[in-house]
Amino acid sequence: AQTVTQSQPEMSVQEAETVTLSCTYDTSESDYYLFWYKQPPSRQMILVIRQEAYKQQNATENRFSVNFQKAAKSFSLKISDSQLGDAAMYFCAFQDDKIIFGKGTRLHILP
Amino acid sequence: EADIYQTPRYLVIGTGKKITLECSQTMGHDKMYWYQQDPGMELHLIHYSYGVNSTEKGDLSSESTVSRIRTEHFPLTLESARPSHTSQYLCASRGGGGNTEAFFGQGTRLTVV
Repeated sequence: AQTVTQSQPEMSVQEAETVTLSCTYDTSESDYYLFWYKQPPSRQMILVIRQEAYKQQNATENRFSVNFQKAAKSFSLKISDSQLGDAAMYFCAFQDDKIIFGKGTRLHILP
Repeated sequence: EADIYQTPRYLVIGTGKKITLECSQTMGHDKMYWYQQDPGMELHLIHYSYGVNSTEKGDLSSESTVSRIRTEHFPLTLESARPSHTSQYLCASRGGGGNTEAFFGQGTRLTVV
């Protein structure tokens, strides 16, 4: 069975600074997809970024990028130029037919 | 804005009552999911469906049941609510292959008194 581990329950970052959220996973599959989702306070969960395991190039979406290390089964999220609106719960997810989430990291942005 | 809706948003109900949490999506997605979100915000998969007439139990044992008679509708039912069922319930859907993103409803916060 797949597992996803987020070892940082909470993190804080100064506005405009860069922060990295960690995620590791375990699977025996060779082809899979990894996602980061964001759940702002009292709002719907939304997609931040996705990575296909067969692609070596790390995914990037504006200020969000990932560091995907397939051999190490690591999938960290980097947020550059942090903004107040980035404050949220961030979930790393492994996706095949099911969606398996990590426990989440609550990110605080300090003004 | 995602086209997936959950009703009600908030529900306070007495012990022993039967309740149904509604989840509907208008995107034609085959795959739908129910998650229970605990106070620490961890998400536990309780039910999922690959399409009409397909339902599977998730990783967290739940006394709830689901049905999928229509593609767009995936209701969750508790025959007899108990205080231990108090939680946030999130519905999600997605289509296509493994690389498609999931869309989430706004959640139903259930309180059983």
